[in-house]
Amino acid sequence: AQSVTQLGSHVSVSEGALVLLRCNYSSSVPPYLFWYVQYPNQGLQLLLKYTTGATLVKGINGFEAEFKKSETSFHLTKPSAHMSDAAEYFCAVRENTGNQFYFGTGTSLTVIP
Amino acid sequence: KAGVTQTPRYLIKTRGQQVTLSCSPISGHRSVSWYQQTPGQGLQFLFEYFSETQRNKGNFPGRFSGRQFSNSRSEMNVSTLELGDSALYLCASSFRESRPYEQFFGPGTRLTVL
Repeated sequence: AQSVTQLGSHVSVSEGALVLLRCNYSSSVPPYLFWYVQYPNQGLQLLLKYTTGATLVKGINGFEAEFKKSETSFHLTKPSAHMSDAAEYFCAVRENTGNQFYFGTGTSLTVIP
Repeated sequence: KAGVTQTPRYLIKTRGQQVTLSCSPISGHRSVSWYQQTPGQGLQFLFEYFSETQRNKGNFPGRFSGRQFSNSRSEMNVSTLELGDSALYLCASSFRESRPYEQFFGPGTRLTVL
């Protein structure tokens, strides 16, 4: 089974600062990779995904992530944090056969004004 | 296109009771997955249904069960509720075997067991 590791269950950044949320996965075969965001009392919303092709993927709200096969990583970044970015972020992996998703434990992002 | 809907949004039950939660997937999606989300455990996979058949199952006791109907709507049932079953239950739908590969989540059902 896959495992997904998100380093840092809580991350705080100042408004306007760089956001970096880390995600590593365990598969030896490149899987499909996703970042989801969850606002309080809501479901998960897709931020971005990597399936094939360009390893730098852009998502909604100015977020992007880079798939690095050699590091088995898919870190999420945003150049300048906004107050509205405060939320819980989940990294997820789906093997390219079957439909089993594996989620990280989540990173709670706080944006300090 | 309507998103994934879950009913009810909130439920309060007492220990020992049973509960049924419902999920209607996005039109055309035939795969429905269920997750339990708690502050301590994060998102834990319960099971996935596709074409009325359970395809994957997580590590939960037999008190947790589900089914899927011919219109792809799904229900999950928890019998003999325990305090630890208090959680947000999320349903997600997808095509399963074609693009896009991501799962689309509903708003969840918040279950409180007293």
